[in-house]
Amino acid sequence: GAVVSQHPSRVICKSGTSVKIECRSLDFQATTMFWYRQFPKQSLMLMATSNEGSKATYEQGVEKDKFLINHASLTLSTLTVTSAHPEDSSFYICSARDLAGGGDTQYFGPGTRLTVL
Amino acid sequence: SQKIEQNSEALNIQEGKTATLTCNYTNYSPAYLQWYRQDPGRGPVFLLLIRENEKEKRKERLKVTFDTTLKQSLFHITASQPADSATYLCALGGNAGNMLTFGGGTRLMVKP
Repeated sequence: GAVVSQHPSRVICKSGTSVKIECRSLDFQATTMFWYRQFPKQSLMLMATSNEGSKATYEQGVEKDKFLINHASLTLSTLTVTSAHPEDSSFYICSARDLAGGGDTQYFGPGTRLTVL
Repeated sequence: SQKIEQNSEALNIQEGKTATLTCNYTNYSPAYLQWYRQDPGRGPVFLLLIRENEKEKRKERLKVTFDTTLKQSLFHITASQPADSATYLCALGGNAGNMLTFGGGTRLMVKP
């Protein structure tokens, strides 16, 4: 099946630093990837839709200058949390659509646990 | 406003029984509905997709129904096993951009 990886799986950083999270589709090409965040015992909240070769589409309330998304290739999207603060601590999960599989199924990465001190 | 509701209380059942989880939605006309499994600290894993013109779908011990009149999907796990213990998420999709909107999930605990 389609595999999506994320790196790093866990990161702890100081307040004010920037953190980059990578999302890769390992065995398929993904023109569209999605970034979610999930707080403890809550559901996934879509942050933005990442489109290869174009600007990301952000959901209402998500600061595009705070959460920079780059989708430079068909297999890689990155999310950079700039000037991270403790309230940015969360579980960040990416997903990718497998167009060859019909496009309606999203395959999720294992997630990245961000802790900002 | 759009709302997707799953029972937030954990569902506890005995091994071997059938687990039934519910997903209700309002103010939404999804083209399809998906069910995912999520283990603690992990990303969701896709289980089943059912389209608006399908009533039922099966995959091994899993069965999903989709009633667009009731705006409800039921997710069944037959002959449940302790390994089935996890949080199960329903997600609606098919709108512009093919984004998925997730319910809050229901935690299933299967006791041996």
